[in-house]
Amino acid sequence: QVQLQESGPGLVKPSETLSLTCAVSGYSISSGYYWGWIRQPPGKGLEWIGSIYHSGSTYYNPSLKSRVTISVDTSKNQFSLKLSSVTAADTAVYYCARLRVIRDAFDIWGQGTMVTVSS
Amino acid sequence: AIRMTQSPSSLSASTGDRVTITCRASQGISSYLAWYQQKPGKAPKLLIYAASTLQSGVPSRFSGSGSGTDFTLTISCLQSEDFATYYCQQYYSYPITFGQGTRLEIK
Repeated sequence: QVQLQESGPGLVKPSETLSLTCAVSGYSISSGYYWGWIRQPPGKGLEWIGSIYHSGSTYYNPSLKSRVTISVDTSKNQFSLKLSSVTAADTAVYYCARLRVIRDAFDIWGQGTMVTVSS
Repeated sequence: AIRMTQSPSSLSASTGDRVTITCRASQGISSYLAWYQQKPGKAPKLLIYAASTLQSGVPSRFSGSGSGTDFTLTISCLQSEDFATYYCQQYYSYPITFGQGTRLEIK
C-alpha cells in the first residue's frame, strides 16, 4: 500500500530555512497524483502549505507563498518542502499527504514530523 | 480565502450517543468538503469526502451531508475509539482551508 514518510531536522534556527522531504513508497510519483504539505502548530488546527503535481506544477498558500518552495524528485520518488526565514511561529508538526486530483481530499498522510524553531 | 467554521468547538458525549458536528463555509463550496478524524499524536485520517462519500474502511456509523455552505458530520452510535478531534476541509478553491476543529470528549 502507499506510504508517506517525512524526514528532516527537528530543530531549525530563526531566520534559517526549514527543509523537509517526504519519501513515497508503494507508488511511483511519476505516475500521477498530487502531493501536499500541511502543518499543525502545537495544540492548534491544520494549515495547508502547498501542493505539487508530479510534473512540477505547484500551488501555494498565499499566506506563505513568499517563503515556500515545494519540489518533486521523481528519480528518488520523493517531494520536498523548503520554508525560508523561519520564526517561532513556524514551529509545528509538518505532514505530507496525497491528493488524487487537484480538487480532492488528502486521502493518505505521513505520520508527521515535529519541527521546532529556536536558537 | 474561504473560511470554514465548525460548531461546537468541543462536545461531551457518552458511548452509544448520536452526535452531530456542523461545518459552515463562508461561501458556497458545492460538495467539495472532507471530514477528518485526528487522535493525539497521530496524523489526520480521512473519513468522508465529497461531503457524503465514506472513505474505504471507515465504519458506516459515520455519515456526512450537506452542500453549498452548510455541512454536517454525524456519528450514529459513538464507540470508545471515536473520541478524537474532527476537522472539516474545503477543496473547492485554493487555498485549501480547514475548520478549527471539534474536540469530542467522553462525558
